[in-house]
Amino acid sequence: GAVVSQHPSWVICKSGTSVKIECRSLDFQATTMFWYRQFPKQSLMLMATSNEGSKATYEQGVEKDKFLINHASLTLSTLTVTSAHPEDSSFYICSAPGPQDYEQYFGPGTRLTVT
Amino acid sequence: EDQVTQSPEALRLQEGESSSLNCSYTVSGLRGLFWYRQDPGKGPEFLFTLYSAGEEKEKERLKATLTKKESFLHITAPKPEDSATYLCAAPSGNTPLVFGKGTRLSVIA
Repeated sequence: GAVVSQHPSWVICKSGTSVKIECRSLDFQATTMFWYRQFPKQSLMLMATSNEGSKATYEQGVEKDKFLINHASLTLSTLTVTSAHPEDSSFYICSAPGPQDYEQYFGPGTRLTVT
Repeated sequence: EDQVTQSPEALRLQEGESSSLNCSYTVSGLRGLFWYRQDPGKGPEFLFTLYSAGEEKEKERLKATLTKKESFLHITAPKPEDSATYLCAAPSGNTPLVFGKGTRLSVIA
């Protein structure tokens, strides 16, 4: 089946620094990838849609200058959290569409802790 | 506004004690109702997709059913390894999936 990987699986950074998270589709191509954020005991909330060859689209309330998304190739999307603050600490998960309508394959997630 | 609501929020079962998780939805033009399993610190793992009322799907001890307003995930004779958070979700407008908050299932040996 389709596999989506993320790197790193966890990261700790200091407030004010930037962190890059990678999302890769390992055995298939994805012109679109999705980035979600999940706070403890909360559900996944869509942050943005990453589009290969064009700008990402962001959900309402998500700061595009803070969460930079680059869909560098058909198998790689990156999310950069700029000037991170403790409130950005969360579990970030990416997904890519599968062959069936509306099916999504999820990555294993990245735990970000900002101190 | 399309919504997906799950209940209960948490469920504790003895090993072998069957039960059901509920997912009610208000989604215009349902294009699929998805169930995922999520283990702590992991991404969601796909379980089932249901597309029309009356549809049922099974996988090992799990069976998912769908009506016009809700979906149930039935767990028969659960084992401790079934402990996880179970999420349901549905596409909504341009959003690929709107998720419920999940049900945290604990199965005690």
